[in-house]
Amino acid sequence: GAGVSQSPSNKVTEKGKDVELRCDPISGHTALYWYRQSLGQGLEFLIYFQGNSAPDKSGLPSDRFSAERTGGSVSTLTIQRTQQEDSAVYLCASSLSPGPHNEQFFGPGTRLTVL
Amino acid sequence: KQEVTQIPAALSVPEGENLVLNCSFTDSAIYNLQWFRQDPGKGLTSLLLIQSSQREQTSGRLNASLDKSSGRSTLYIAASQPGDSATYLCAVRAAQGGSEKLVFGKGTKLTVNP
Repeated sequence: GAGVSQSPSNKVTEKGKDVELRCDPISGHTALYWYRQSLGQGLEFLIYFQGNSAPDKSGLPSDRFSAERTGGSVSTLTIQRTQQEDSAVYLCASSLSPGPHNEQFFGPGTRLTVL
Repeated sequence: KQEVTQIPAALSVPEGENLVLNCSFTDSAIYNLQWFRQDPGKGLTSLLLIQSSQREQTSGRLNASLDKSSGRSTLYIAASQPGDSATYLCAVRAAQGGSEKLVFGKGTKLTVNP
């Protein structure tokens, strides 16, 4: 079966514009995660979905960041009024269900560049 | 707050050498630890997942150990090959209040020279 897919693979935008990043999890996976990988910062957790609800949004860096998930499947991460410090690779992961012993499978990421 | 450290940040070895990558974490209360590989411009590929009750996991030329009490894990790569060149990331699932997130180290960039 297909793995986690993300689109677009690359996005270049101008400061102040809004962007939407999409994640398609593995079919049947109920848990979905967003992470950000910035140069020199490593990978940081942003938000976690169980079904369509987000029990943990603790990693979202500001109120310019939001995410939603519909139909228990596709998720969209939206960044409003982008800033240069938002430039990073945004990675999505999914797991069969939540729980500490379940493995997270990662997508290829979206590389965002804010000019 | 859980913190994960990986040493060294970069490593260059000749082909055929056995090598060890190190990962340490500050809080021993973890559910599991996972080693990933990341190729340039790519996502993460899971290599090994060690549950907190396990001491080690093996897959082919890879062996990962976990010493939860001391907050350490090692990834051993036997008979390294140029194709092993990548960044290796360590991540822990912290056992705190139902946390679902992985906490990552900054990785070790491995170069295996032919």
